[in-house]
Amino acid sequence: EVQLVESGGGLVQPGGSLRLSCAASGFTFSTYWMTWVRQAPGKGLEWVANIKQDGSEKYYVDSVKGRFTISRDNAKNSLYLQMNSLKAEDTAVYYCARDGWELNYWGQGTLVTVSS
Amino acid sequence: QLVLTQSPSASASPGASVKLTCTLSSGHSSYAIAWHQHQPEKGPRYLMKLNSDGSHNKGDGIPDRFSGSSSGAERYLTISRLQSEDEADYYCQTWGTGTVVFGGGTKLTVL
Repeated sequence: EVQLVESGGGLVQPGGSLRLSCAASGFTFSTYWMTWVRQAPGKGLEWVANIKQDGSEKYYVDSVKGRFTISRDNAKNSLYLQMNSLKAEDTAVYYCARDGWELNYWGQGTLVTVSS
Repeated sequence: QLVLTQSPSASASPGASVKLTCTLSSGHSSYAIAWHQHQPEKGPRYLMKLNSDGSHNKGDGIPDRFSGSSSGAERYLTISRLQSEDEADYYCQTWGTGTVVFGGGTKLTVL
């Protein structure tokens, strides 16, 4: 059974940093692109970033370029999102998803709140 | 620019059918999309990949009540024999070179 479990969310002040993790199981992690998607309160789903199997290609939505970094550790079956210079508008539930494009499995999400 | 347009809301009665629409922006009518269901307090659930010719591949465990079809730039999700548990937000989603795009979502109410 495919499982994706996010962790690392919490309350952080504007300008602060946070690192999200996604633990994957039930499939061969190293053979899939992986993706982060977020949903701000009362809003729709928004793609954040995705990463190729070997980490050699990464793409980001314009609003997080230069502030967020997606990475992965295939030996640990884990996906990460390093978030720096956080803004109030980054407040959202963050989901990891399998595949870079079809997003065919999703985690339950972790809540990030940016507030003073 | 790659854009997906969805109606904000839809409603239907239990046991009835509903057809949700997702429209691809001009010049992108050949693109495949994916449909996702998002119930409150849960992670989204992948329903299917839908190609421009109407062929579709459903995700694991998705009931036969869910089907997809296409016409030009329109992509459809039809849910038959509606149940109360089908009440959710439905998102279409597509992808291009280095980008992933979501539609605004349709909130389905099962009256």
